[in-house]
Amino acid sequence: AQSVTQPDIHITVSEGASLELRCNYSYGATPYLFWYVQSPGQGLQLLLKYFSGDTLVQGIKGFEAEFKRSQSSFNLRKPSVHWSDAAEYFCAVVGTDSWGKLQFGAGTQVVVTP
Amino acid sequence: EAQVTQNPRYLITVTGKKLTVTCSQNMNHEYMSWYRQDPGLGLRQIYYSMNVEVTDKGDVPEGYKVSRKEKRNFPLILESPSPNQTSLYFCATGLGVSTDTQYFGPGTRLTVL
Repeated sequence: AQSVTQPDIHITVSEGASLELRCNYSYGATPYLFWYVQSPGQGLQLLLKYFSGDTLVQGIKGFEAEFKRSQSSFNLRKPSVHWSDAAEYFCAVVGTDSWGKLQFGAGTQVVVTP
Repeated sequence: EAQVTQNPRYLITVTGKKLTVTCSQNMNHEYMSWYRQDPGLGLRQIYYSMNVEVTDKGDVPEGYKVSRKEKRNFPLILESPSPNQTSLYFCATGLGVSTDTQYFGPGTRLTVL
């Protein structure tokens, strides 16, 4: 069955430190990949997306993600975290054989400490 | 201003009382979708619509209905709500889901007693 896994439910990081959030998928072919952020009490905002081409993708708010086909992963990174990055982050996937169906991971809650 | 609006934003109701959550967009997008968000489960897709009069099931369609009679509106209907439908609901819209950014509405917090 197709699935999206975010292994880390909760991550605590110090302000100024680097952040990496993991995302693994299980799909027959390389799907389209997304990272969304949800700030407290807010809707979702797209950080970045990968469809094809360069496997290192730059997004908004200083985030980047790297697609690794061999590992079926699409990990999100930020070199230096700001307190405003505290939020919940969702990896999402669209399979190339299921247009219209967007599948989300369970999310990773990021807490930023001073 | 590009907008996705949902109404109501908050609703408390009782089991079995039919309700509709509306979703409207002003971006002329063809694709619209409904999700529910539950702790520990992320967002799960309920239904989606690729265009007017074209709808299809997502991963958790049971207990829900939708209609797409015009491009801008995509209401979510709960014919006989049950407590397990207590959740946070999001509508999303885009030119397409696979190649385009999804714009999410502000959410509707539904409690079914």
